[in-house]
Amino acid sequence: DAGITQSPRYKITETGRQVTLMCHQTWSHSYMFWYRQDLGHGLRLIYYSAAADITDKGEVPDGYVVSRSKTENFPLTLESATRSQTSVYFCASSARGGELNQPQHFGDGTRLSIL
Amino acid sequence: GIQVEQSPPDLILQEGANSTLRCNFSDSVNNLQWFHQNPWGQLINLFYIPSGTKQNGRLSATTVATERYSLLYISSSQTTDSGVYFCALLSWGKLQFGAGTQVVVTP
Repeated sequence: DAGITQSPRYKITETGRQVTLMCHQTWSHSYMFWYRQDLGHGLRLIYYSAAADITDKGEVPDGYVVSRSKTENFPLTLESATRSQTSVYFCASSARGGELNQPQHFGDGTRLSIL
Repeated sequence: GIQVEQSPPDLILQEGANSTLRCNFSDSVNNLQWFHQNPWGQLINLFYIPSGTKQNGRLSATTVATERYSLLYISSSQTTDSGVYFCALLSWGKLQFGAGTQVVVTP
């Protein structure tokens, strides 16, 4: 009963480096999401995916890249990390989206610090 | 976009007390979720509640979609209830979060 897992849980890196956050779910959910959580801004949607090979931008996509070659994985890449991307990142999944909303289930988060 | 407002922003409770958290939203939506973010940062699903009332142990939630609000009730609070409570509106598969209510339950 793994559910949704994120790795790593903690990451420290330097500005300009590339870093990839991993997200894996075992429910075969169609939809997957990436959020960032910052003080004063709450949780904001970065990118989401309705199915393998289908991704779309959320509220704050700049500086991030996603891919979804397999239904169960949805990695988030910061191609050239900046200090403003220091945040806690949450991955989520849901069985359906669009008109057929289903609840979203969240991973435990990745705390990313960029020095 | 959809506006989600939560009140109060902060709440301090003595163990055993009851409380009500409110979530107002600006537009009709397909659905609504309540989450508890515990002190370790985990987001725990509490309720998925488009309308009506649901109960889960000492917690219950009511959503009145026509009047655009939802309420979360905590009864007989315990120290483990401490954390931040978020409501989030589900619209076309995307969640819009409120700013949260920080709850501290003291022994």
